[in-house]
Amino acid sequence: EAQVTQNPRYLITVTGKKLTVTCSQNMNHEYMSWYRQDPGLGLRQIYYSMNVEVTDKGDVPEGYKVSRKEKRNFPLILESPSPNQTSLYFCASSLRGYEQYFGPGTRLTVT
Amino acid sequence: QKEVEQDPGPLSVPEGAIVSLNCTYSNSAFQYFMWYRQYSRKGPELLMYTYSSGNKEDGRFTAQVDKSSKYISLFIRDSQPSDSATYLCAMSGRMNTGFQKLVFGTGTRLLVSP
Repeated sequence: EAQVTQNPRYLITVTGKKLTVTCSQNMNHEYMSWYRQDPGLGLRQIYYSMNVEVTDKGDVPEGYKVSRKEKRNFPLILESPSPNQTSLYFCASSLRGYEQYFGPGTRLTVT
Repeated sequence: QKEVEQDPGPLSVPEGAIVSLNCTYSNSAFQYFMWYRQYSRKGPELLMYTYSSGNKEDGRFTAQVDKSSKYISLFIRDSQPSDSATYLCAMSGRMNTGFQKLVFGTGTRLLVSP
């Protein structure tokens, strides 16, 4: 089954404790992205990747890091999480760059 | 001004009604126009995408794009309670920098009552 998977689905952590959210796709897509979704603000792109080792910033990259060492994986790293990073996070992959196929989401709470 | 404007709703309709969901945008470089459906606690699901102006139909769903007015619509015929969800518009285009920009609307919540 074609899908995007994310782990963990739910995470509660404390300020400053480094964390990684994993993302994997099995559709052989070139493009992968990370978004955060907040009430009233909609989906905002954090980072995107056009291929292995090619990444660039989206609209809200501050406080986040990404890497793309393999085509299927695109982890999101929060080196020092803060409460304003409490949000719902989605990973997505795309064949052509405009149509996005989303994962199930990761709900992150930073206290 | 936001690049994409979408009424948050909620929009409440009875079962069987025709639903019209709309977005306006300001960036004339957008070429691809998408509609996503998002159920509560789920990821957005791609419903349809359209390239440039015109109509596209898929079952009970019709997407319309009017680039001259910078206005896109999604029509749902014979709406069902299972259509109750948040609908997000999205648009994409290649900017002068070569970057393929993608922007989402904030979503319209639709409630279809039996």
